[in-house]
Amino acid sequence: DAGVTQSPTHLIKTRGQQVTLRCSPKSGHDTVSWYQQALGQGPQFIFQYYEEEERQRGNFPDRFSGHQFPNYSSELNVNALLLGDSALYLCASTRVSDNYGYTFGSGTRLTVV
Amino acid sequence: RKEVEQDPGPFNVPEGATVAFNCTYSNSASQSFFWYRQDCRKEPKLLMSVYSSGNEDGRFTAQLNRASQYISLLIRDSKLSDSATYLCVVNDGRGGKLIFGQGTELSVKP
Repeated sequence: DAGVTQSPTHLIKTRGQQVTLRCSPKSGHDTVSWYQQALGQGPQFIFQYYEEEERQRGNFPDRFSGHQFPNYSSELNVNALLLGDSALYLCASTRVSDNYGYTFGSGTRLTVV
Repeated sequence: RKEVEQDPGPFNVPEGATVAFNCTYSNSASQSFFWYRQDCRKEPKLLMSVYSSGNEDGRFTAQLNRASQYISLLIRDSKLSDSATYLCVVNDGRGGKLIFGQGTELSVKP
């Protein structure tokens, strides 16, 4: 039973570029959330997807967008990258009926230079 | 004021010590409470959920005081393997968004 899978594991991008991160949820999970964790900080909620729709969004600019596919996998897109976007991006999945038992992926470490 | 605030770290303790972490949260409507553990450069992993009645899992005891909006984690007989960052996490009750504290780093020394 695979857990949450994220790709790529590491990524280096230049300021102004665009990036797409991918997440496959744990088998049986239907809800995917994305978090940004800067160095020395706790993860910050970006948004959550359920039934292919954004259900909730945190305080992130519109440069951050996402998508959920019919197989429940998800993508996080960030446009016009800034140095401050350098962080660990975590995907967490759950089953909406599970009373919020989340499983996290091992993350994508994005470095913007 | 941050939504979830934790003791600033790091905590440096000898093996066998008892260590306590404290956390406060601002949203009285919060519904679920957790402690997560995060090892260096890894993903957070659920350590334990926290219930109003208090709960224990081996050397770990968690307490929740809803009136004071306060959560605690007690680790007894610390092991070297307990060295990690401990994250206090609150579910905001609106669709499952998790709100994390900034984390408290624990270093257990021989």
